[in-house]
Amino acid sequence: DTEVTQTPKHLVMGMTNKKSLKCEQHMGHRAMYWYKQKAKKPPELMFVYSYEKLSINESVPSRFSPECPNSSLLNLHLHALQPEDSALYLCASSQEPGLAAQETQYFGPGTRLLVL
Amino acid sequence: QKEVEQNSGPLSVPEGAIASLNCTYSDRGSQSFFWYRQYSGKSPELIMSIYSNGDKEDGRFTAQLNKASQYVSLLIRDSQPSDSATYLCAVADDNRKLIWGLGTSLAVNP
Repeated sequence: DTEVTQTPKHLVMGMTNKKSLKCEQHMGHRAMYWYKQKAKKPPELMFVYSYEKLSINESVPSRFSPECPNSSLLNLHLHALQPEDSALYLCASSQEPGLAAQETQYFGPGTRLLVL
Repeated sequence: QKEVEQNSGPLSVPEGAIASLNCTYSDRGSQSFFWYRQYSGKSPELIMSIYSNGDKEDGRFTAQLNKASQYVSLLIRDSQPSDSATYLCAVADDNRKLIWGLGTSLAVNP
């Protein structure tokens, strides 16, 4: 089973709202990722958690705040977003960060975010 | 600047034909290579991963890797209309981050 789940599927929020995106995997994977994807573009890496610790932050604005409560869960807290932040937000996980044969990333279905 | 390049397409093939998708990468030290399929409005779905030179087959899909030429390809045999999608090539860099191509749009015509 290579399932990564994400909630909600769709989210509409105003620029003053606070919301959270959730991601869950039960594959025992030790690395989890947040990506942002705009239409007709490849996914753009935002954050990487390795063994529940933030290992990569791709200079993402502070209005995006990641959290990894445990090895199965990953959250992305959103606050004071801008309309240009509207995108598909993807969560992914991989078995073991840093080992070539075990770094295949499996993606969740994504959350379609619209900021008004 | 590490780069992964793909022809954007669209690549149009008739049903039942072989579709050939190509990808070149700039980082000679890359070890891991991936093909993802993405339908419009959906998330990327892993099709193949390949780590060694040569061919790797999985059903109708064959990935080919040539590290000397810094080239990885995906062949889809007996193409079906359901294969119509964008195919993304991704290469892991030495920090294990994925460097993505812009994707090739494939249209399989009935």
